[in-house]
Amino acid sequence: GAGVSQSPSNKVTEKGKDVELRCDPISGHTALYWYRQSLGQGLEFLIYFQGNSAPDKSGLPSDRFSAERTGGSVSTLTIQRTQQEDSAVYLCASSRSGGRSNEQFFGPGTRLTVL
Amino acid sequence: AQSVTQLGSHVSVSEGALVLLRCNYSSSVPPYLFWYVQYPNQGLQLLLKYTTGATLVKGINGFEAEFKKSETSFHLTKPSAHMSDAAEYFCAVSGLRGQGAQKLVFGQGTRLTINP
Repeated sequence: GAGVSQSPSNKVTEKGKDVELRCDPISGHTALYWYRQSLGQGLEFLIYFQGNSAPDKSGLPSDRFSAERTGGSVSTLTIQRTQQEDSAVYLCASSRSGGRSNEQFFGPGTRLTVL
Repeated sequence: AQSVTQLGSHVSVSEGALVLLRCNYSSSVPPYLFWYVQYPNQGLQLLLKYTTGATLVKGINGFEAEFKKSETSFHLTKPSAHMSDAAEYFCAVSGLRGQGAQKLVFGQGTRLTINP
C-alpha cells in the first residue's frame, strides 16, 4: 500500500514568513511523529501524536513551532516567523501504534530552506 | 537520558568486503535498538531492530546486528558489501518507558561508501 507522503518536497521561503508542512500517514496508523534532520543537529524528535491523546511536544525547539493532527490522520507542522536556523529536512513518520518496539515508517521529507 | 554514538561519520569499503558500522548506546532502561538506512533524497527505512529475545538479529538486504549488553553496543554488519549498500545508516534507541517511550533518539549517522 501507499507509504507516508509529505508535501511539499521542497520549500524555499524568506526569513520571517510562516510555512506549513503536510504529512499523510499510512492508513490505519494511529501514531504520527515529526523529526528534523539538519547538518548541525542530526536527526531530532519534534512532536508525537497518538490517537486522541494529548501530543508529546517535548521536542519542539521554540514556540514558533506547532503541529496539529486533524481527524487522527493528516498532520500539519507550522513554523511561524521562520529563521535561517530552521533550514532542515523535516521528516514525518507513522506507526501502527505508539509502542516502543513499533516500526516507524518514514516519509521522504520536506526540505525547507529559509533565505 | 537515552543517547547513541556512532563511531565514524564516514566508512569506505571495497565491494565484496565486510561492512562493520559501530553503534554504542546509553540507556537507563533495557533498550530497544534500531538501524535505519537512508538513500539519497529518501526517507529512512528500517533495516532491523532488537527488542527482546535473541541478541543476534537479522534484517533486510543481508544485514545483521548483535546486541551486546556488556559492551552497550549494537554494531551492524554485512559479510559482503554491494554497490547498492552505499547510503547513510542511522542507529537509534527508543525513549524511556511511559511518556516519551515512543520517540527515537538517533546517532549522528554513518555514510557508507562502496569502492568498486
